[in-house]
Amino acid sequence: LAKTTQPISMDSYEGQEVNITCSHNNIATNDYITWYQQFPSQGPRFIIQGYKTKVTNEVASLFIPADRKSSTLSLPRVSLSDTAVYYCLVGDMGRLTGGGNKLTFGTGTQLKVEL
Amino acid sequence: DAGVTQSPTHLIKTRGQQVTLRCSPISGHKSVSWYQQVLGQGPQFIFQYYEKEERGRGNFPDRFSARQFPNYSSELNVNALLLGDSALYLCASSLVLSVNTGELFFGEGSRLSVL
Repeated sequence: LAKTTQPISMDSYEGQEVNITCSHNNIATNDYITWYQQFPSQGPRFIIQGYKTKVTNEVASLFIPADRKSSTLSLPRVSLSDTAVYYCLVGDMGRLTGGGNKLTFGTGTQLKVEL
Repeated sequence: DAGVTQSPTHLIKTRGQQVTLRCSPISGHKSVSWYQQVLGQGPQFIFQYYEKEERGRGNFPDRFSARQFPNYSSELNVNALLLGDSALYLCASSLVLSVNTGELFFGEGSRLSVL
């Protein structure tokens, strides 16, 4: 699975837009990019997944440039409740290999939102 | 609808003992995965089971074993516990084998402390 690099921590204020960038220089053709959110003592929660260009859902947007060597998770108008660790994952998720999911989490980005 | 449920939520064991952790996936989900999360790190993949068969194994010693039952619930067993086994053990379920076509849903975990 492609290794990912993301900032260890970020600080923001309520109401601001937060962009967390993840580098994955060795991404393979079959790899998807997935982001998870984790609160203390809870399991990670799926946020968004994409393959290329832009994906948007009710909570976030994911921007993926043409070379797919990086991706940016965008959280609009964050609130205190968005304080959490955000993980960027890259992998083929077993779709083509039939090997099932073997998600590889890094250390994530600790986002702290203040008033 | 009930999410992924895990039991027990917390437990304390001593070195050398054995522990069994249990997981009930979301109704209808046939795939269950286990992850170990040490404090300050991201979750690390241990096992995946799909339709009662092992479909993936992470880099963990043979002291770790798991199984999936006909009702798709799962157990993770760890023998000869070491201090380093202290962690949050997460169970995740998905509708299908791979997560390209579906999301991975995590439970809140079982917090194991080995003394």
